[in-house]
Amino acid sequence: GAVVSQHPSWVICKSGTSVKIECRSLDFQATTMFWYRQFPKQSLMLMATSNEGSKATYEQGVEKDKFLINHASLTLSTLTVTSAHPEDSSFYICSAPPVGEYWVNTEAFFGQGTRLTVV
Amino acid sequence: AQSVTQLDSQVPVFEEAPVELRCNYSSSVSVYLFWYVQYPNQGLQLLLKYLSGSTLVESINGFEAEFNKSQTSFHLRKPSVHISDTAEYFCAVSSGNTPLVFGKGTRLSVIA
Repeated sequence: GAVVSQHPSWVICKSGTSVKIECRSLDFQATTMFWYRQFPKQSLMLMATSNEGSKATYEQGVEKDKFLINHASLTLSTLTVTSAHPEDSSFYICSAPPVGEYWVNTEAFFGQGTRLTVV
Repeated sequence: AQSVTQLDSQVPVFEEAPVELRCNYSSSVSVYLFWYVQYPNQGLQLLLKYLSGSTLVESINGFEAEFNKSQTSFHLRKPSVHISDTAEYFCAVSSGNTPLVFGKGTRLSVIA
């Protein structure tokens, strides 16, 4: 079935530095990738939608200059948290929407998630 | 716009007892419905989904959910829970190629 691989699974960084999170579709082409953020004991909130070959679409309240999204190819989308601060500490998850035959068969089009801790 | 309401934020239940986790949705278009499970510090795992056809869907580990269009509900049930079922459960809705909209989650705690 469809597999989305997210890396790294966890990262600790110093305040003020930048962190890049990668999300790859391993056996299918993802023209779209959704990025979610989950604060502790809360639900997943959509941050932005990345589209291969065009600019990402950000949800209201999400700073596009802080959360840089690049969809460089049909199999790779990246989220870069720039000038990270402790309040950016969260669980970030990418997700590729179902495509074609995978719509019925897929059981895993979410990445494994990245736990970001900013100290 | 779509929304999902999970009425119970926490559900404690004794081992081997039945459980129901409630989910109601709101949408102006046809929807697909999902239940995901999340164990501590892990990503989401798809538990079951309703796309079309039979309104009762089952998972391999004993959970089932029934799509009720008139009540706009997709409640999750299990007749006998195990300690290992302790986790966070999220109900989600989508119109197809759109991002999933998640409920706030229900924390299921199974007590020995």
